[in-house]
Amino acid sequence: ETGVTQSPTHLIKTRGQQVTLRCSSQSGHNTVSWYQQALGQGPQFIFQYYREEENGRGNFPPRFSGLQFPNYSSELNVNALELDDSALYLCASSLEPGEAQYFGAGTRLSVL
Amino acid sequence: GQSLEQPSEVTAVEGAIVQINCTYQTSGFYGLSWYQQHDGGAPTFLSYNALDGLEETGRFSSFLSRSDSYGYLLLQELQMKDSASYFCAVNNNQGGKLIFGQGTELSVKP
Repeated sequence: ETGVTQSPTHLIKTRGQQVTLRCSSQSGHNTVSWYQQALGQGPQFIFQYYREEENGRGNFPPRFSGLQFPNYSSELNVNALELDDSALYLCASSLEPGEAQYFGAGTRLSVL
Repeated sequence: GQSLEQPSEVTAVEGAIVQINCTYQTSGFYGLSWYQQHDGGAPTFLSYNALDGLEETGRFSSFLSRSDSYGYLLLQELQMKDSASYFCAVNNNQGGKLIFGQGTELSVKP
């Protein structure tokens, strides 16, 4: 148990819809990072939030957006869902950027 | 570009020792992390090397050589429950993001 919780655990959406995924970071951690993991691949970095500000972004289009709240929990929003967005979405928290990251169990998103 | 190379599959028997190598080529480097992931589960943090040398945590050890852009994870006294995918990941100093390798699937046989 890492203390990082994500909701929901599973989600089914149709192409063109919008989705919001949620993450509660481990106590004392002010940094949250989001990753997308396709089947059989390593996780791919989407973006990171540090003290409520975006602190780095990977090669994902603008329809992937996020927020971090004062309690350091975070949301990942994806607009105009595409079939290729089907994946496991992982949230990881760390004490500071660059420190060891601890992952939640993920949200399995299926886009039909 | 940025890339990490690790073997795709490794097979070993219970009680044995196995080493999973990782070479990396990235712009910026804070350190090298190792994660274990069982099917459908969350990546579990195993170790983090920021400096050259060996870090030991129980049955698992991790090594880093920054000059060679190389590291490895050593698993001793293998158990069936160690069957999983193992990922090396570079902590990148551009926002502290993790850049993951493709993963090594370890199968432990009786």
